Amino acid sequence: AQSVTQLDSQVPVFEEAPVELRCNYSSSVSVYLFWYVQYPNQGLQLLLKYLSGSTLVKGINGFEAEFNKSQTSFHLRKPSVHISDTAEYFCAVSAQGGGFKTIFGAGTRLFVKA
Amino acid sequence: ETGVTQSPTHLIKTRGQQVTLRCSSQSGHNTVSWYQQALGQGPQFIFQYYREEENGRGNFPPRFSGLQFPNYSSELNVNALELDDSALYLCASSTRVAGSSTDTQYFGPGTRLTVL
Repeated sequence: AQSVTQLDSQVPVFEEAPVELRCNYSSSVSVYLFWYVQYPNQGLQLLLKYLSGSTLVKGINGFEAEFNKSQTSFHLRKPSVHISDTAEYFCAVSAQGGGFKTIFGAGTRLFVKA
Repeated sequence: ETGVTQSPTHLIKTRGQQVTLRCSSQSGHNTVSWYQQALGQGPQFIFQYYREEENGRGNFPPRFSGLQFPNYSSELNVNALELDDSALYLCASSTRVAGSSTDTQYFGPGTRLTVL
């Protein structure tokens, strides 16, 4: 079985500052890792995914994440945030990909202040 | 826009009633997954359908059931509604090729169900 822990429920940050949203996971098998963003009253949008290969993954909207197998982490980073990045961010794992039994974390609310 | 649509947008039911939620997958996708997202929480996997058959299930009781149709649209049915069923219900479509399912999920906007 897999589990996901998002270490921060809320992250306030000023506009143009860097941000890191932390995600740790546990699994007895190899997993696929994902970050999704959810804007108010909308569904989830994929930011980036790690399936295999390079541990540094670049996604949309300037986000990137680094897979660290030894620390079982998949932290999301952005060097300079915008007001429009204010949203809920979810880390997720799946043993098979394609949505099969995907496990989501509880979410991190990113609040970007002017 | 992901091409995944859900209906209705909002729904209010009373305890004990039954509800059907609908999802239209993105064109060309043969797999649909349903999730329940309670307020302030992450989505929880309910089940997945692939080629009209249930392909895997999360920790949800049998009163949660589903259907996938030949055109890959899908329904989620919930019987004997309970207050705790109040949540945002999300569907997500993806493509499964034999032996592989690494494709991305595309989520719909969700149906907000309130049980009174």
